[in-house]
Amino acid sequence: QQQVKQSPQSLIVQKGGIPIINCAYENTAFDYFPWYQQFPGKGPALLIAIRPDVSEKKEGRFTISFNKSAKQFSLHIMDSQPGDSATYFCAASWGNTPLVFGKGTRLSVIA
Amino acid sequence: NAGVMQNPRHLVRRRGQEARLRCSPMKGHSHVYWYRQLPEEGLKFMVYLQKENIIDESGMPKERFSAEFPKEGPSILRIQQVVRGDSAAYFCASSLQSYEQYFGPGTRLTVT
Repeated sequence: QQQVKQSPQSLIVQKGGIPIINCAYENTAFDYFPWYQQFPGKGPALLIAIRPDVSEKKEGRFTISFNKSAKQFSLHIMDSQPGDSATYFCAASWGNTPLVFGKGTRLSVIA
Repeated sequence: NAGVMQNPRHLVRRRGQEARLRCSPMKGHSHVYWYRQLPEEGLKFMVYLQKENIIDESGMPKERFSAEFPKEGPSILRIQQVVRGDSAAYFCASSLQSYEQYFGPGTRLTVT
């Protein structure tokens, strides 16, 4: 119930490609779905987040797609760059509750 | 605006010693969360505190671990009698009221 399942574990794309990372959840009480970016040796940085009343949200090159009926959400990175190489985590929560994280996707963008 | 601050950034302890990890939330934030990250793993929730109160400690081991967030000063995660399995990165996050949590740079604990 409390799990967030993230896939793939790792992803390699060419510069300019559009990596897509998927997450699925079970708990229908979740109403906040953020994505975090983490570089080695650093803390997770909040990238973008979505609430279930919208199906898509864009911020710069990052887009979240949200499918409430399927209980799935995904991150798309447009025109990916080598500097986007990092580990990406999806998460879910409701209210002030702690975030439940996926296991992460290690993205490598090669020039 | 200063972000979430954690110190020390790296901590080495021998088995049986105590580890104290500090977290200063972002200015104005009164909610603090501690998470633990093992290598190649996601972050796992440990404890959620507001000023002078523990709200949820369901993710924290019952023994050897404790946390506080006093009226004045940083939040502290304390691990007594550390064992090798405690080696991990410990992150704290803070939030203003709800939802958006901002993370610090973490404390990497190594138990030798």
